[in-house]
Amino acid sequence: EIVMTQSPATLSVSPGERATLSCRASQSVGSNLAWYQHKPGQAPRLLINGASTRATGIPARFSGSGSGTEFTLTISSLQSEDFAVYYCQQYNNWPPTTFGQGTKVEIK
Amino acid sequence: QVQLVQSGGEVKKPGSSVKVSCKASGGTFNNYVISWVRQAPGQGLEWMGGIHPILGTPSYAQKFQGRVTITADESSGTGYMELSSLRSEDTAVYYCAREGYCRSTTCLFYGMDVWGQGTTVTVSS
Repeated sequence: EIVMTQSPATLSVSPGERATLSCRASQSVGSNLAWYQHKPGQAPRLLINGASTRATGIPARFSGSGSGTEFTLTISSLQSEDFAVYYCQQYNNWPPTTFGQGTKVEIK
Repeated sequence: QVQLVQSGGEVKKPGSSVKVSCKASGGTFNNYVISWVRQAPGQGLEWMGGIHPILGTPSYAQKFQGRVTITADESSGTGYMELSSLRSEDTAVYYCAREGYCRSTTCLFYGMDVWGQGTTVTVSS
């Protein structure tokens, strides 16, 4: 099973600042990687798939990069609604699919 | 735009089973893989398994093998996840999600783009 490791566990950022979240796979997943935003009491929301393609309706301040084993989600200028937990997920050679443990982006 | 509507919250005793449903509204989930993901309190997202819409064959995470059964009824557009031998650690919010598009036996995966609203399952004596 491919293990996904996210860092940091918690990221403290001020509104308007840039946030950079990392995700590492234990073996190559190509570009078969997605990012999700998850807020309390809501279902997760797909932000990015194919490592770098924004999902429908996702603002341009969210961008994804990377391939193979190293991936990054960047939020260029944090808005109040962006404070949440973010997960990466690999879907290479389904099944199985695996998630990282999450990065909480909190207000500094 | 298709929505996935899940059944309501459940309270179960340890050792019992729970069955959660997930119905497609405003569309169909024919041709789409439907997966189940859970989140225990204070924990992250955990994939439990999914079902191929055409073959009707489920795949399960190793952790849940033998305890989980995932099925789908295409005629009613409803998916089901049944978890047996419940224990307190199974207390969680359970989500269904659309995960991949299939033609014949080949599926293209692209992440989980449509999610149910979640079903809270509480296991307590």
